[in-house]
Amino acid sequence: DAGITQSPRYKITETGRQVTLMCHQTWSHSYMFWYRQDLGHGLRLIYYSAAADITDKGEVPDGYVVSRSKTENFPLTLESATRSQTSVYFCASRPPGVNSPLHFGNGTRLTVT
Amino acid sequence: QKEVEQDPGPLSVPEGAIVSLNCTYSNSAFQYFMWYRQYSRKGPELLMYTYSSGNKEDGRFTAQVDKSSKYISLFIRDSQPSDSATYLCAMSAWTGANNLFFGTGTRLTVIP
Repeated sequence: DAGITQSPRYKITETGRQVTLMCHQTWSHSYMFWYRQDLGHGLRLIYYSAAADITDKGEVPDGYVVSRSKTENFPLTLESATRSQTSVYFCASRPPGVNSPLHFGNGTRLTVT
Repeated sequence: QKEVEQDPGPLSVPEGAIVSLNCTYSNSAFQYFMWYRQYSRKGPELLMYTYSSGNKEDGRFTAQVDKSSKYISLFIRDSQPSDSATYLCAMSAWTGANNLFFGTGTRLTVIP
């Protein structure tokens, strides 16, 4: 089925470990985004990508790395996980053009111990 | 001060009630206003999209924007248990913006 898939759905990792969250979309949307959702903060943009090999920082990029070698994939890597990165991470995509809405995946719940 | 303020609730109403959800914002450049609905353990989904001031209606849902007061509302008529979710407002200064600002969300429960 077409859509946006995030994996894993749940992840527990230890402080200092590297962890990669995966995002795959089947619509061939040019824009892809990573958000984190925390109580009291709502959704905050980490990184986004306008096309393959084009990425840019959002509001809270520190401690995260992204890449986009293929249009359909947009992995998010935490290079050295910290407890403050415990959160729910959402990937989203949208086509270019006016009024195009964001389509969200169902999230990855990450716990850093 | 946050760009977007939203009362987190929670809000509980009986089935059939009219629900009013609200957000205020500080950036007068915001022109595009959205409401997303998020069910538990799911990603947000777009519910309503409005541009500038005025009202927009879609079935039981009405989105209202008052730019002079920097205030937006979402009204749900004849609320149903299936409307139980968290509602997020979002806004941006220009269309297609990658800097979409979200409220923290209001959790709504509709009691049968």
